[in-house]
Amino acid sequence: GENVEQHPSTLSVQEGDSAVIKCTYSDSASNYFPWYKQELGKGPQLIIDIRSNVGEKKDQRIAVTLNKTAKHFSLHITETQPEDSAVYFCAATSNTGNQFYFGTGTSLTVIP
Amino acid sequence: NAGVTQTPKFQVLKTGQSMTLQCAQDMNHEYMSWYRQDPGMGLRLIHYSVGAGITDQGEVPNGYNVSRSTTEDFPLRLLSAAPSQTSVYFCASGRAANEQFFGPGTRLTVL
Repeated sequence: GENVEQHPSTLSVQEGDSAVIKCTYSDSASNYFPWYKQELGKGPQLIIDIRSNVGEKKDQRIAVTLNKTAKHFSLHITETQPEDSAVYFCAATSNTGNQFYFGTGTSLTVIP
Repeated sequence: NAGVTQTPKFQVLKTGQSMTLQCAQDMNHEYMSWYRQDPGMGLRLIHYSVGAGITDQGEVPNGYNVSRSTTEDFPLRLLSAAPSQTSVYFCASGRAANEQFFGPGTRLTVL
């Protein structure tokens, strides 16, 4: 099956700085890559996603880039704010599209 | 819309006991799934369903059963709980596997 690796496991940044989280995947047939944000005591929430036919997608302060050749994708958060503090998960779909494989998560702390 | 609801929020079981974790959604989503979340391991797919009457195994299905008799409900059954099943369980639903909406989770402890 798919293997998704995520780095770093923890990340601390000063408010206003940028944060970057990186993921790699193993199955070249994967074609959908979502990012989820999980706040303490809550379920994951989809924040942005990218499909394999696109190299970059941006939504306000959040962007995701995809390099299919290298099989890696990254989440970029600019102008970080304390409310961005959470655990972020990347995921990739199986070749059938019915199964998500998640990374192990990155705990982001934004220091005011 | 209530979205995805899960009950109970917390549960403590003894080894060997059985129980059912409930999941319901009111968004008429065809796709529903169950994940477990363990420290340092992210979320792992247990079972999923692409519609009423259709279920399939995910990455870690052993020890769990599911059924999907209606579009709205997707219960997860533990037939004989083991300490290794101590975890936080999340149910999710979506029009397809993409764009899944997660419930608030059930924290299960097996003693």
